[in-house]
Amino acid sequence: AQSVTQPDIHITVSEGASLELRCNYSYGATPYLFWYVQSPGQGLQLLLKYFSGDTLVQGIKGFEAEFKRSQSSFNLRKPSVHWSDAAEYFCAVVGSGTYKYIFGTGTRLKVLA
Amino acid sequence: TAGITQAPTSQILAAGRSMTLRCTQDMRHNAMYWYRQDLGLGLRLIHYSNTAGTTGKGEVPDGYSVSRANTDDFPLTLASAVPSQTSVYFCASSDSTGSGGYTFGSGTRLTVV
Repeated sequence: AQSVTQPDIHITVSEGASLELRCNYSYGATPYLFWYVQSPGQGLQLLLKYFSGDTLVQGIKGFEAEFKRSQSSFNLRKPSVHWSDAAEYFCAVVGSGTYKYIFGTGTRLKVLA
Repeated sequence: TAGITQAPTSQILAAGRSMTLRCTQDMRHNAMYWYRQDLGLGLRLIHYSNTAGTTGKGEVPDGYSVSRANTDDFPLTLASAVPSQTSVYFCASSDSTGSGGYTFGSGTRLTVV
């Protein structure tokens, strides 16, 4: 069955520290992969996406993600976290030729000053 | 600014009453979606439409109905609300392939009492 797993429900990091949010997927073919961010009381905003080619993709707000086919992973990273990065982050997949996403359950990021 | 408009922003509704959540997009996207977001469950697809005139059921369609009379509008109707429909509802849209990512509205917070 197709699925997306975000193993960490909550993550707390200090401002200025590096960040990695994990995402694992189960999909029959190579999917399109996405990361979204949701600030409190807001809708979801697209951070970055991967379709093919270079497995390291750059997104907005200084985020990047790396696609690792062998591990079925698409982890989100940021070298230095800012207090404004505190939010909930969602990984999502959609199959080539379809358009319905499968979302992970999200990881809530807390940033300590 | 192009995007999705949802109304109302929030609503308290008596159980048994009906309500329509409105969603309008101005990006001429073919596909539109309704999700509900609940703590610990992430986003779950209620209904979707891949083009005007067609709709489909998502993961949790019971108690909800949709229509897609034109490209821009995709209202969600609760015919007889129940407390378990208390949630935050997000409307989203995408191109036909989903490859461009979803654009989300800011959400409607619904409380059924």
